Amino acid sequence: RKEVEQDPGPFNVPEGATVAFNCTYSNSASQSFFWYRQDCRKEPKLLMSVYSSGNEDGRFTAQLNRASQYISLLIRDSKLSDSATYLCAVDNTDKLIFGTGTRLQVFP
Amino acid sequence: ETGVTQTPRHLVMGMTNKKSLKCEQHLGHNAMYWYKQSAKKPLELMFVYSLEERVENNSVPSRFSPECPNSSHLFLHLHTLQPEDSALYLCASSQDRGGASEKLFFGSGTQLSVL
Repeated sequence: RKEVEQDPGPFNVPEGATVAFNCTYSNSASQSFFWYRQDCRKEPKLLMSVYSSGNEDGRFTAQLNRASQYISLLIRDSKLSDSATYLCAVDNTDKLIFGTGTRLQVFP
Repeated sequence: ETGVTQTPRHLVMGMTNKKSLKCEQHLGHNAMYWYKQSAKKPLELMFVYSLEERVENNSVPSRFSPECPNSSHLFLHLHTLQPEDSALYLCASSQDRGGASEKLFFGSGTQLSVL
């Protein structure tokens, strides 16, 4: 099993739609979780941290499910500008492990 | 000034060349990193420096040689690279190593092509 796994997509959704991505991780001892956004040919940028109690920032909601060992990212009211690759990152023995990313394409 | 600046943005080099990538962070962070990103692969951690001391080297070939002269600057010296080393090389910094402090701020990356 990979340390961190994501569905590569692409997820093609219309503007205004709600879309959710999951990211599974293998180390049950992991404590820190993050979502990053990466635009084509650009660097990853921190989108949000994921806390045990969940985390909401505007249209974005991140949640952690420890029992099933996954984190999720929910995007409501999708905008064209949300089109990007979303990377999850999970700490594993003091080192961040990244997933390969999930590609989101929002169309008009 | 942006938080983490990397130069050059693009680099083409032959297998016998020697070049260096430069990274500078203006965030007052204590940890700096080199990552490699290849197509369809996850980000691979290459080197970590914490307070200018190398704390991790993920079995990277010796043709990659990092240097951290102070907490704001990080270099990656390249020599006798192979075509499979062509990738996007990203520098990052974080307040500290480990846990919730390891929120990474990335530079814009160097797109490296080895001919």
